[in-house]
Amino acid sequence: DIQMTQSPSSLSASVGDRVIITCRASQSISTYLNWYQQKPGKAPKVLIYAAFSLQSGVPSRFSGSGSGTDFTLTISSLQPEDFATYYCQQTYGTPLTFGGGTKVEIK
Amino acid sequence: QILLQQSGPGLVKPSQTLSLTCAISGDSVSSNSATWNWIRQSPSRGLEWLGRTYYKSKWFNEYAGSVRSRITFNPDTSKNQFSLQLNSVTPEDSAVYYCARAGGWYDWFDPWGQGTLVTVSS
Repeated sequence: DIQMTQSPSSLSASVGDRVIITCRASQSISTYLNWYQQKPGKAPKVLIYAAFSLQSGVPSRFSGSGSGTDFTLTISSLQPEDFATYYCQQTYGTPLTFGGGTKVEIK
Repeated sequence: QILLQQSGPGLVKPSQTLSLTCAISGDSVSSNSATWNWIRQSPSRGLEWLGRTYYKSKWFNEYAGSVRSRITFNPDTSKNQFSLQLNSVTPEDSAVYYCARAGGWYDWFDPWGQGTLVTVSS
């Protein structure tokens, strides 16, 4: 199975801050990497697919980069509605696997 | 707009079968360009993909190794839905269960069902 490791597991940030979340795959997954945002009591929502493609309707302050084993999700200017947990997911091979999540909290 | 609506019991007794259904609107379970997935989430296991069912000239089911011996997916074309059955459940199967559609070359999940909290307890 392909293991996905996210860091940090949590962070505290202020509105307006630039936030970077990293995700590392245990083997190369090309750009088969998706990012999701989850708020309490809700299903995850896709933000970025194929490592850097912004899902329709997602604000442009979200961006993704990387290929192979190392990926990042960047929020250029954190907004109040962005406080949530973020997950990476690889779809290169089955079983499809997720990272452990990064909880973004208010400083 | 594609919507997924989950149904099923929230409480299952140990050793019994967990059954959930995901009804699809705005797409077809027989679509050649989508897969229909089950995922669960618990504090101990995080987000765990359980498997998928899809149609490409014939039906395929793929199951995660962690549940392969106990799980079955059943697509129902007459009702445009798909279901999950997980046998011989234990308290470790307690989780929020989600269904989700995946499409496109990179198979991202969108949309998701609303989630069903399933507790395994006597």
